Amino acid sequence: DAGVTQSPTHLIKTRGQQVTLRCSPKSGHDTVSWYQQALGQGPQFIFQYYEEEERQRGNFPDRFSGHQFPNYSSELNVNALLLGDSALYLCASSIGGGQPQHFGDGTRLSIL
Amino acid sequence: AQKVTQAQTEISVVEKEDVTLDCVYETRDTTYYLFWYKQPPSGELVFLIRRNSFDEQNEISGRYSWNFQKSTSSFNFTITASQVVDSAVYFCALRLTGGFKTIFGAGTRLFVKA
Repeated sequence: DAGVTQSPTHLIKTRGQQVTLRCSPKSGHDTVSWYQQALGQGPQFIFQYYEEEERQRGNFPDRFSGHQFPNYSSELNVNALLLGDSALYLCASSIGGGQPQHFGDGTRLSIL
Repeated sequence: AQKVTQAQTEISVVEKEDVTLDCVYETRDTTYYLFWYKQPPSGELVFLIRRNSFDEQNEISGRYSWNFQKSTSSFNFTITASQVVDSAVYFCALRLTGGFKTIFGAGTRLFVKA
């Protein structure tokens, strides 16, 4: 039973570029949440997707956008990358929004 | 607004010692969930426990135990007879019942030396 899988594992971009990160939820899970974890800090909630719609959003600018597909997988898009966007991006899936979340290993994004 | 504070940035212990990780939370809501997660060097957050705000019973799972006290807004985590494999960053987190956003503390890095 595969858990939450994220791709790519690592990514290096330059300022101003755009990036797309991908997440496949754990089998049977229908809800996907995205978090940004800067070095030495706790994860910060970006947004959550359920039934292909954004259900709640954290304090992140519109440069951060997402999508959920009919198979429940999800993408996180970040436009106009800034140095401060360098972080570990974690995807978490759950059954509905209230159950414990299962996390993937994350995508480490470095902005040069 | 909700907030989770983990005042201990780093803790270092010798194997077989007991260690307690502190967590203090803030919320005006009366119904919420509290969580503990473990993050090993690989980066994946591993779910350890979820506690409902209505359930103040302490819980023990093997060498792990949790003490939830609403009166002091604390949800502390104790590892008994620590092992090297317990070395990781531990996060305490809060989510309002009916909400979808999980708020994490800054984490406590635990080093267990052999």
